[in-house]
Amino acid sequence: DTEVTQTPKHLVMGMTNKKSLKCEQHMGHRAMYWYKQKAKKPPELMFVYSYEKLSINESVPSRFSPECPNSSLLNLHLHALQPEDSALYLCASTEGLANVLTFGAGSRLTVL
Amino acid sequence: QKEVEQNSGPLSVPEGAIASLNCTYSDRGSQSFFWYRQYSGKSPELIMFIYSNGDKEDGRFTAQLNKASQYVSLLIRDSQPSDSATYLCAVKAEGGKLIFGQGTELSVKP
Repeated sequence: DTEVTQTPKHLVMGMTNKKSLKCEQHMGHRAMYWYKQKAKKPPELMFVYSYEKLSINESVPSRFSPECPNSSLLNLHLHALQPEDSALYLCASTEGLANVLTFGAGSRLTVL
Repeated sequence: QKEVEQNSGPLSVPEGAIASLNCTYSDRGSQSFFWYRQYSGKSPELIMFIYSNGDKEDGRFTAQLNKASQYVSLLIRDSQPSDSATYLCAVKAEGGKLIFGQGTELSVKP
C-alpha cells in the first residue's frame, strides 16, 4: 500500500460546527504532515508529527487541533472555523523527516 | 526575501518543445530539492527529487541543481498537453519542513 488516504473528500460546515479530517497511511512512515492550500497558492505547512509527537506547529490558530492516535493515523479537529479557513487540506507522510513526502488527495473544506 | 522563489508564469510552450522551469532558494544549507506537479483541484504529485549538484534525468524530465548559485530547475522535453499543470519547487528545511515556491503554471499548446 503506497497511498495516503484522506477522508472526507469534501466537507461543508458552519462556523459553530465541530468536525474532523482524517488521514491514514500504511507505508510505515513515521512522519506525518498537515498542509493547507488556498486557490492559486502553494501548500502552507500547518503541523508536523514525528514518531507520533508534534514536532512543528506553524503558529496555527487553536481552532485547528491536530491529533496523532498512532503511527498510521493523523486527525485534524476543526472547531469554530471562519469562512477564510475554506481551503484544500492536504495530509502527507514520509519515512523520515529527510525523505520524500507523499501527499493524500486532500479534503476540500468549505466553511459557511 | 522569500525562501523559495519561482516565476509564477503562466509559461506557454508549443507541443513538442522543451519547457524550462526555474527556482531559487535562500537557505544555503538546504540539501534536498523536489519538483511536484499539481493539476487543478488535485493534490501535488512528486515528479523528481535531487540532492546532488548536476543533472538527474527521468524519462522526459531532467532536474538540474547548482548549490553554489542556489538554483534548481526542471526541464520537460517533448512537452505534451497533459503536462499542463502547476509545477511546484520545494526545498526541505530544518525539522523536515517542506517549503514550497509559489508555483509556475505551465500551458502546453497543441
